Amino acid sequence: GAVVSQHPSWVICKSGTSVKIECRSLDFQATTMFWYRQFPKQSLMLMATSNEGSKATYEQGVEKDKFLINHASLTLSTLTVTSAHPEDSSFYICSARDPLGNSPLHFGNGTRLTVT
Amino acid sequence: QKEVEQDPGPLSVPEGAIVSLNCTYSNSAFQYFMWYRQYSRKGPELLMYTYSSGNKEDGRFTAQVDKSSKYISLFIRDSQPSDSATYLCAMGTSNTGKLIFGQGTTLQVKP
Repeated sequence: GAVVSQHPSWVICKSGTSVKIECRSLDFQATTMFWYRQFPKQSLMLMATSNEGSKATYEQGVEKDKFLINHASLTLSTLTVTSAHPEDSSFYICSARDPLGNSPLHFGNGTRLTVT
Repeated sequence: QKEVEQDPGPLSVPEGAIVSLNCTYSNSAFQYFMWYRQYSRKGPELLMYTYSSGNKEDGRFTAQVDKSSKYISLFIRDSQPSDSATYLCAMGTSNTGKLIFGQGTTLQVKP
């Protein structure tokens, strides 16, 4: 079945630094990937839609200059949290859908970001 | 009012019990309905996927969608301790992948 890989699985960084998270589709080409954020004991909230070869689409309230998304190939999307602050500490999860057929979204295993 | 409502629980049941998990929603345009299972510190794992109304069964899991009532359910038969996790309902208006999630219900199955 479809597999989505996310790296790293956890990261700790200092305030003011930037962190890059990678999301790869392992056995299919994904023209579109999605980035979600999940705070403790809360549900997943869509942050942005990553489109291969074009600009990402951000949800209302998500700062595009803070959360930089790059989707340079059909199997890789990256999310960079710039100038991270403690309030950015969260669980970031990417997802993708195999465009062939009518398959649903599959999710990566998430990246736990802690900003100190 | 949230677009998708889900009781966060926690729900505690003995091993072997039948578990019923539910979500209600307000957007009548939702056509795609999913149930995901999420273990602590892991990404969501797809359990069931249903398009429009009806029932779908897969092993011990049965998903039901009642669009007239804007209500979806997930039933787990013969529950096992390994079923202990958070169960998230999710739904969307198209198959583009943009989903709205419920809050998730934490389930504990006691041996």
